[in-house]
Amino acid sequence: QVQLVQSGAEVKKPGASVKVSCKASGYTFISYDINWVRQAAGQGLEWLGRMDPNSGDTHYGQKFQGRVTMTRDTSKNTAYLELSGLTSEDSAVYFCAREDWLPSSPLDPWGQGTPVSVSS
Amino acid sequence: EIVLTQSPATLSLSPGERASLSCRASQTIGSLLAWYQQKPGQAPRLLIYDASNRAAGVPARFSGSGFGADFTLTISSLESEDFAVYFCQYRGNSPPERTFGQGSKLEI
Repeated sequence: QVQLVQSGAEVKKPGASVKVSCKASGYTFISYDINWVRQAAGQGLEWLGRMDPNSGDTHYGQKFQGRVTMTRDTSKNTAYLELSGLTSEDSAVYFCAREDWLPSSPLDPWGQGTPVSVSS
Repeated sequence: EIVLTQSPATLSLSPGERASLSCRASQTIGSLLAWYQQKPGQAPRLLIYDASNRAAGVPARFSGSGFGADFTLTISSLESEDFAVYFCQYRGNSPPERTFGQGSKLEI
């Protein structure tokens, strides 16, 4: 079945960077975009950006431009999210989600989430 | 920038009752809207895409409607497992950004 499995929880100090992985299985990795979404404790969902694993093309949310990098390793069917300059406000659960190229396609499925805690 | 506003923030109902959740867009978006359900400690789960299409495996009691700027998620007869938070989401194409509503909590 289609599945996205993310890396484990991270604890970082302010100013550091974090890199989260998202391993895809059950489908052709390069045929679907990967989006990244985060959720702070008790809050809503916030979109960070998307990547086309075939071309490597990315589009980042305006709030995160300059701080976020999305990459992939097609030999491992894995997408990566790196966020730099961490502050306490970046503490959240980070999700990856698959998206088809069709205009009406939703985010489905989602990874299980990776908690990231930023604390001195 | 498209803003999605969900209402109510919290809806208190009992099992067996009908639930209607609203999502209003700041501009017309056609049918480019999806609905997700999220339970505590879990990732969001897709319910509805393209405003009114049920995702695979989603029970028939869930339905989506609307076009343009006003959308509704309806649960015809609530079951205990339906009490959760619901989010709407818009897929933009120019710029290609994704926008979420702030969520509606459905509580017993």
